[in-house]
Amino acid sequence: NAGVTQTPKFQVLKTGQSMTLQCAQDMNHEYMSWYRQDPGMGLRLIHYSVGAGITDQGEVPNGYNVSRSTTEDFPLRLLSAAPSQTSVYFCASTPGTANSPLHFGNGTRLTVT
Amino acid sequence: GDSVTQMEGPVTLSEEAFLTINCTYTATGYPSLFWYVQYPGEGLQLLLKATKADDKGSNKGFEATYRKETTSFHLEKGSVQVSDSAVYFCALLNTGGFKTIFGAGTRLFVKA
Repeated sequence: NAGVTQTPKFQVLKTGQSMTLQCAQDMNHEYMSWYRQDPGMGLRLIHYSVGAGITDQGEVPNGYNVSRSTTEDFPLRLLSAAPSQTSVYFCASTPGTANSPLHFGNGTRLTVT
Repeated sequence: GDSVTQMEGPVTLSEEAFLTINCTYTATGYPSLFWYVQYPGEGLQLLLKATKADDKGSNKGFEATYRKETTSFHLEKGSVQVSDSAVYFCALLNTGGFKTIFGAGTRLFVKA
């Protein structure tokens, strides 16, 4: 019973490099989202998707791209990494039905130097 | 817009002490309210939830009551254990059902 799987667990990038954070869920959830967690700021929504082929911006989308070609996968792309993107990134999914809580992956700790 | 405010931490308690973590919210409509817990090195997991006014969510000895009149959802536990040391997040799910808004989190340390 894998739930939400994120890879990699840790990553160090140099400024200007690009990379993709992977997220997969095996619960057939329609809704998936990416959050970043920074000290004292809680979790802030980056992008979300309400189904395959549909994505939308959250609170802090700049510098990130997403796509949703399948129900299972929701990768997050950093186009040109900046030190301000140093954070812990969480992927989450939910059926999207009323009152459903989020199911989280274990996170990716990203450092941009 | 919708928002969640929770008390700043860290909160440090001795084992068997009473815990309260305050949470208030601002939202249009009738959101669902949640408490999530994050143990070191892990993602968040649901602790409890309440979906309408006066509902009480409970789990593992923790409780919280949805108070619409005071827009609050305070987390309580009568006797904390060392294993309760974690970060606790209050959150709301807006009426549309797609966006969960989180508070800043409160770190709890419980000493033996």
